[in-house]
Amino acid sequence: DAGITQSPRYKITETGRQVTLMCHQTWSHSYMFWYRQDLGHGLRLIYYSAAADITDKGEVPDGYVVSRSKTENFPLTLESATRSQTSVYFCASRTSGPYNEQFFGPGTRLTVL
Amino acid sequence: DQQVKQNSPSLSVQEGRISILNCDYTNSMFDYFLWYKKYPAEGPTFLISISSIKDKNEDGRFTVFLNKSAKHLSLHIVPSQPGDSAVYFCAALYGNKLVFGAGTILRVKS
Repeated sequence: DAGITQSPRYKITETGRQVTLMCHQTWSHSYMFWYRQDLGHGLRLIYYSAAADITDKGEVPDGYVVSRSKTENFPLTLESATRSQTSVYFCASRTSGPYNEQFFGPGTRLTVL
Repeated sequence: DQQVKQNSPSLSVQEGRISILNCDYTNSMFDYFLWYKKYPAEGPTFLISISSIKDKNEDGRFTVFLNKSAKHLSLHIVPSQPGDSAVYFCAALYGNKLVFGAGTILRVKS
């Protein structure tokens, strides 16, 4: 599929389990981002990446791990899921240049029981 | 401490009338502002933006106004249409990062 995709779209897991959310973009955008959306908070940046093998923390990075071995993929891992990580997760990408539009994926709804 | 605030959680407007969504920010280092629109079960999509050196930007039915002295921006939609019903997020750019507000749910009644 062209554009930016996320998988899975829905995930239910249990406290303490490891979960990986996948993000794939076909535009060869250099920048990729992970956000979580929670009621009353809007979208908060978890991690971002400026290029392959370059990642940096956002506003709420605790409990999350990212990697970017290939330009097109940016997986987000919850090493030991907690109930507070129940949220909707959005991946986004853009070309270099901060004023360029970010394109968002459709989101992954994660529930941690 | 939220640096970008959208104080109205929801707004209801009649079709054909003007919708005004407001956003306040606290960080004077923000130099670029954007509005995103989000439908249920979809990702946000870019709507319109404005640089801090401007006070107005217009794109069709959508106009964004920026008042730097008040640290306030607003999005005007004229005329409002039922398809505009969505969540609208205000965002501010700081370096490479976007800081989002909590969003305002707009409902346009036909």
